[in-house]
Amino acid sequence: DIKMTQSPSSMYASLGERVTITCKASQDIKSYLSWYQQKPWKSPKTLIYYATSLADGVPSRFSGSGSGQDYSLTISSLESDDTATYYCLQHGESPLTFGAGTKLELK
Amino acid sequence: DVQLQESGPGLVKPSQSLSLTCTVTGYSITSDYAWNWIRQFPGNKLEWMGYISYSGSTSYNPSLKSRISITRDTSKNQFFLQLNSVTTEDTATYYCARYRYGSSYFDYWGQGTTLTVSS
Repeated sequence: DIKMTQSPSSMYASLGERVTITCKASQDIKSYLSWYQQKPWKSPKTLIYYATSLADGVPSRFSGSGSGQDYSLTISSLESDDTATYYCLQHGESPLTFGAGTKLELK
Repeated sequence: DVQLQESGPGLVKPSQSLSLTCTVTGYSITSDYAWNWIRQFPGNKLEWMGYISYSGSTSYNPSLKSRISITRDTSKNQFFLQLNSVTTEDTATYYCARYRYGSSYFDYWGQGTTLTVSS
């Protein structure tokens, strides 16, 4: 199975701050990487697919980058509504595997 | 609008089988996409379990392969998860989700159903 190493596991950031979360795959996943936001007691919501494409309705302050084994999710200017846990997911090879999550809280 | 809704027993005894239903509205499960089960353990780890495609083919996570079955009832636009020989480690929130081929992501999720395995 492809292992997804996500970091950091948790972080605090201030309103307006630029935030970056990273995921490293144990092998090349050819950009088959998506990012999800999950708020408490809610199901995950798609933010980014195919590493860099913004899902419908997602604010433009979210962006994705990366290729090969290394990927990142960036929030350009943190808003209070962005406090959540974020997960990466690789689709490059079955079984699909998730990162362990990054819990983002306001400082 | 596409909606997915999980339903299940809530509580299952160890060694029994669990059966969950995902009812899809707003889109036919035989038209396109892969229809998946994903679970989230206490502590929030997510695990992809498997899918049934619009054509009826299935794919499972090898970690579950001997215990899992995903089937469907096209007349009711539902798909099902059966997991045999459950243990307390199967306690989780179970989600159904639609997977978009090509773009390769889960675009619709259900709200999740919590399953506890306990005697």
